[in-house]
Amino acid sequence: EVQLVESGGGLVQPGGSLRLSCGASGFTFSSNWMSWVRQAPGRGLEWVANINQDGSEKNYVDSVKGRFTVSRDNAKNALYLQMTSLRAEDTAVYYCVKGVGWLGPWGPGTLVTVSS
Amino acid sequence: EIVLTQSPGTLSLSPGERATLSCRASQSVSYNYLAWYQQKPGQAPRALIYDASSRATGIPDRFSGSGSGTDFTLTITRLEPEDFAVYFCHQYGSSPYTFGLGTKLEIK
Repeated sequence: EVQLVESGGGLVQPGGSLRLSCGASGFTFSSNWMSWVRQAPGRGLEWVANINQDGSEKNYVDSVKGRFTVSRDNAKNALYLQMTSLRAEDTAVYYCVKGVGWLGPWGPGTLVTVSS
Repeated sequence: EIVLTQSPGTLSLSPGERATLSCRASQSVSYNYLAWYQQKPGQAPRALIYDASSRATGIPDRFSGSGSGTDFTLTITRLEPEDFAVYFCHQYGSSPYTFGLGTKLEIK
């Protein structure tokens, strides 16, 4: 069974940084694109970033370009999202998701709150 | 950027009835790369349909997707109590990949 578990969320001040992690199991992690999707409280879904199998290709939504960096460690079956210069509008549940086109399965998510 | 407009915003139906949810794109979705997800309160989304009409693994056949170009539909025949949730459409044919704002399916 595919399992994805995010960690690293929390409360951070505007302008601060946070690193999210996602542990993967139940599938061949190194053979799959992975994505991050976020959902602001009570709002819809927004694709944030994705990364190819060996980490050589990365894509970002315009609103996070230059501030967020997606990476992976295939030896540890782990996906990361380094977030810097955080803004209030980055407040959301961040989901780690298997895939690059249609997405699934999804992890349970980790909440990031940007507030002073 | 492709904008996806879902309608209705809220749909009130009874168990056993048929639900028809619409997703309209601001421009044609390449290769009909359109997916539907179900999200229940406090849970992550779950993929139901991909490539407009293919059911994801383990999804009951009462869920079906149709459409092409700019107009897509998710149909749920014979609603079960567990089907009442929020449904999102998602296009992955053009970057940035985008989602609709969702349709809430509630019990009447």
